[in-house]
Amino acid sequence: DVKVTQSSRYLVKRTGEKVFLECVQDMDHENMFWYRQDPGLGLRLIYFSYDVKMKEKGDIPEGYSVSREKKERFSLILESASTNQTSMYLCASVGGLEWGTGELFFGEGSRLTVL
Amino acid sequence: DAKTTQPPSMDCAEGRAANLPCNHSTISGNEYVYWYRQIHSQGPQYIIHGLKNNETNEMASLIITEDRKSSTLILPHATLRDTAVYYCIVGPPMDSNYQLIWGAGTKLIIKP
Repeated sequence: DVKVTQSSRYLVKRTGEKVFLECVQDMDHENMFWYRQDPGLGLRLIYFSYDVKMKEKGDIPEGYSVSREKKERFSLILESASTNQTSMYLCASVGGLEWGTGELFFGEGSRLTVL
Repeated sequence: DAKTTQPPSMDCAEGRAANLPCNHSTISGNEYVYWYRQIHSQGPQYIIHGLKNNETNEMASLIITEDRKSSTLILPHATLRDTAVYYCIVGPPMDSNYQLIWGAGTKLIIKP
């Protein structure tokens, strides 16, 4: 089974702190994504990456950056966390044999609270 | 904005078929209908997708109307573990831009 692992399920940070959210997938997928999920707003795409060192902005990239130094790892970085970044963050991946099947594989999510 | 309209919530008795409707009247010719679900405190899980033909897999069936303006996801024998938020999403083929637009979904509650 494909596994997408997010490093932390729950984090509490203070305003202004730098926050790293890590995501690792074990299926050699080319494409990886970071979403945030807020009540009533559904999932919104922050950034995605279709290859190592490649990144593309999604719908809401402001306040975030990403890093893809290795194929299996996609990191989301909040340079200076703010309270409006309190949210559930979801990582997803797809590629290889799953390409074209319609199936995105998601991690379990990281719930970030910024105080 | 999401390209789909779903009822915010539905109930279904355990063991019965759960039929979840979705309207997508502005769907374009090359867009697929994708269904995902999200069980509480977990990431979304893919269920099924289709273009214009009805589809079935081990989890569910997808019925798409001939004009493609609406569809229904059918869980044939709902169990308590099917309680989740179900998302109907319209988007391009998954070998292109992955900017699927997610709406609020339908909260399905399976009752004993």
